[in-house]
Amino acid sequence: NAGVTQTPKFRILKIGQSMTLQCAQDMNHNYMYWYRQDPGMGLKLIYYSVGAGITDKGEVPNGYNVSRSTTEDFPLRLELAAPSQTSVYFCASSYLLRGNEQYFGPGTRLTVT
Amino acid sequence: DAKTTQPTSMDCAEGRAANLPCNHSTISGNEYVYWYRQIHSQGPQYIIHGLKNNETNEMASLIITEDRKSSTLILPHATLRDTAVYYCIVRVAGGGSQGNLIFGKGTKLSVKP
Repeated sequence: NAGVTQTPKFRILKIGQSMTLQCAQDMNHNYMYWYRQDPGMGLKLIYYSVGAGITDKGEVPNGYNVSRSTTEDFPLRLELAAPSQTSVYFCASSYLLRGNEQYFGPGTRLTVT
Repeated sequence: DAKTTQPTSMDCAEGRAANLPCNHSTISGNEYVYWYRQIHSQGPQYIIHGLKNNETNEMASLIITEDRKSSTLILPHATLRDTAVYYCIVRVAGGGSQGNLIFGKGTKLSVKP
């Protein structure tokens, strides 16, 4: 299994641009999550999904949107990028009935200038 | 409010056991103790979790005190690759927003040759 994969690894955006961060998992996990991690800080939950077609806001959802059309994919959309969105973005997935431990992707490092 | 307290940093000699403590005096009866680690610039990695019994897997052992107010993560034979920030997290095992991992500052473990 590839586990959780994320693309791209790095991206530089100009203020006001938009982009989609891709996340996919091949473990048939029902739960998926998006976190952001600012330098020297812990992770903050942006959005999560409990299954295809079902998403909900986390702690810091403003400026982001998500969709979950399949079990495998959970893209994160940034509209009108702002410097405050400069961060490392991690996607994670978990399977509730197995203790719900989360497995993380390698991250996308985003800079907005 | 932080639910866990960990030392800021620890050193360990390569090949020796690394014992990482965590205090969680306000833990509720349905809350588990989870351990994750984050190697520089990588996504967090799940290590182990437990409710009240001691647990062991291929990576580590988790010792939880009888009153559940503290725990210790044990890496039996630390290697240089175990150098990372280790996070002790207390939460219910549910998914969705309940699965939100609140990462504190963790313990920076440095394994030295």
